[in-house]
Amino acid sequence: GQNIDQPTEMTATEGAIVQINCTYQTSGFNGLFWYQQHAGEAPTFLSYNVLDGLEEKGRFSSFLSRSKGYSYLLLKELQMKDSASYLCAVSAIYGGATNKLIFGTGTLLAVQP
Amino acid sequence: DAGVTQSPTHLIKTRGQHVTLRCSPISGHKSVSWYQQVLGQGPQFIFQYYEKEERGRGNFPDRFSARQFPNYSSELNVNALLLGDSALYLCASSLVGGVGSGANVLTFGAGSRLTVL
Repeated sequence: GQNIDQPTEMTATEGAIVQINCTYQTSGFNGLFWYQQHAGEAPTFLSYNVLDGLEEKGRFSSFLSRSKGYSYLLLKELQMKDSASYLCAVSAIYGGATNKLIFGTGTLLAVQP
Repeated sequence: DAGVTQSPTHLIKTRGQHVTLRCSPISGHKSVSWYQQVLGQGPQFIFQYYEKEERGRGNFPDRFSARQFPNYSSELNVNALLLGDSALYLCASSLVGGVGSGANVLTFGAGSRLTVL
């Protein structure tokens, strides 16, 4: 089967650092994605990891360990606008295409002043 | 360059009715996927189409169907609507690359919010 686990809610302070963890079990692994979703809006792409290690992109970094089925999203220098739901998603291979995403329920991050 | 566009943005239907949702992918993207997102949950995979062929189907009943047109736009159809079909329906497009390719990144549209009364 396929399963994605991430915390339901987190709270952090403006200017601080927060780490959102994600564990997964899946077959046909083809990469792990993080998306940001503000209330009432579409998910927007943040990062993509297919190999083990850390990918850094500005204030956002994402880490992957395939052997442990584990990823985290690290947000630095938090801003109020970072308050959103953060979705961990695993890409699974099937048939002739490679784009099926299995999403977790999302982690609702609240950034406080 | 236009992103993924979906229509309508909001609609209200009653139980038993039928709905058609439409999606235009980013120019050059040949893969279109549909997801259902219920409030407070992550998106759930419904369908993927690539080059006008169904490449995958999620765990949804036969009341859900879709198709992709020669210009790569797509429609999602839901028959015999139930209250539980109320959700945000997201369309996403992508290139399709090999294993581990960044071409597989999905870009989502703003969604169609369906309310079934």
